[in-house]
Amino acid sequence: QVQLQESGPGLVKPSQSLSLTCTVSGGSISTFGYYWSWIRQHPGKGLEWIGYVYYGGSTSFNPSLKSLPTISIDTSKNQFSLKLTSVTAADTAVYFCARQYGDFRNWFDPWGQGILVTVSS
Amino acid sequence: QSVLTQPPSVSGAPGQRVTISCTGSTSNIGAGYDVHWYQHLPGTAPKLVIYGNNNRPSGVPDRFSGSKSGTSASLAITGLQAEDEADYYCQSYDSSLSGSVFGIGTKVTVL
Repeated sequence: QVQLQESGPGLVKPSQSLSLTCTVSGGSISTFGYYWSWIRQHPGKGLEWIGYVYYGGSTSFNPSLKSLPTISIDTSKNQFSLKLTSVTAADTAVYFCARQYGDFRNWFDPWGQGILVTVSS
Repeated sequence: QSVLTQPPSVSGAPGQRVTISCTGSTSNIGAGYDVHWYQHLPGTAPKLVIYGNNNRPSGVPDRFSGSKSGTSASLAITGLQAEDEADYYCQSYDSSLSGSVFGIGTKVTVL
């Protein structure tokens, strides 16, 4: 059974970079047909899709984001990562990693439990 | 402001039936894209309860059902139980945004 686990700093200063990693266990991240996504939830708000990296390395991002994130995949570590630069308080959120199979229009399953990242000085 | 509209909350007594609506537009649900539903308790991983409009993953009780019509979809929970108290989110794909979109979430309270 595939499981995902987010890791990274819980506190980031404004204007700095936010870097998170999602470790995949119970299966290979480089299996054909898998899309690996980052999703966030602002405090008291709904879910927002950030973007995905395909198992082959191609990426796609939410065009409504104010700054373009970087999502990369490390098959040797079975991990994928998210990087946001020049963060502001508006980037304070719980960040989830999740998997889609077969099509980027499909459902997300499974998810990680999420990691709270606070942007504050 | 979410692309998909859900009621902020619904409630029901144990054993009752509740429904959660998810209203979209012609660029997402109305364009024929599937709707998926998640159950979420704060501090835990969201759990898929309905995929592809009306399909239940293995292990999800048949008390959960989904439907879709036009630009809207619904999640129904029959025989409501205390363990069903959670936040529920709908998700679809939006061709205008070229990405996945979610509802703002509906809190289900078991009275």
